[in-house]
Amino acid sequence: NAGVTQTPKFQVLKTGQSMTLQCAQDMNHNSMYWYRQDPGMGLRLIYYSASEGTTDKGEVPNGYNVSRLNKREFSLRLESAAPSQTSVYFCASSEVGGDTEAFFGQGTRLTVV
Amino acid sequence: SQQGEEDPQALSIQEGENATMNCSYKTSINNLQWYRQNSGRGLVHLILIRSNEREKHSGRLRVTLDTSKKSSSLLITASRAADTASYFCATDPGGFKTIFGAGTRLFVKA
Repeated sequence: NAGVTQTPKFQVLKTGQSMTLQCAQDMNHNSMYWYRQDPGMGLRLIYYSASEGTTDKGEVPNGYNVSRLNKREFSLRLESAAPSQTSVYFCASSEVGGDTEAFFGQGTRLTVV
Repeated sequence: SQQGEEDPQALSIQEGENATMNCSYKTSINNLQWYRQNSGRGLVHLILIRSNEREKHSGRLRVTLDTSKKSSSLLITASRAADTASYFCATDPGGFKTIFGAGTRLFVKA
């Protein structure tokens, strides 16, 4: 039972490059999320998908786009990476919204130089 | 903006002692959750307490919630070296925008 799988685990980008972070869950969850974690700031919500076919902005959406490809997969795209986007990115899923526990992936450590 | 704020920011105790972490939040919530994060790993759910509950237990964990004071506490009894991790509270104001605090770093010395 894999849970939430994120790829890649590590990535170094140059400023201005683009990349897509992939996330897949095998728990048949309806809701999926992308967070970023910076030192001393906890997790901040970038985007979420309440259910298949819907996406909405979170607290810090600027510079990112998302795609809910199907019920299992939720990708995060950086179109033009900036040093301020250096962070650890976590994908999570839950049955339905914030009323149920969330399951997290192992994270992607992204450095933008 | 962060809804939940943990206190203390860091805590160092001896194995066998109890560890208490506190969380304060600002707006009304549907529930409050606690998560653990080991170094370099993702978050793992520990316990969820709903707004109409005052106390909840799970193994060595005890969580209290005081909605009048907008605060919660997590007590880990008889701590072990394996409990060394960061602990986060997360509040659900309704909907999908669960908000995480900055966390308490717990170090349990063997």
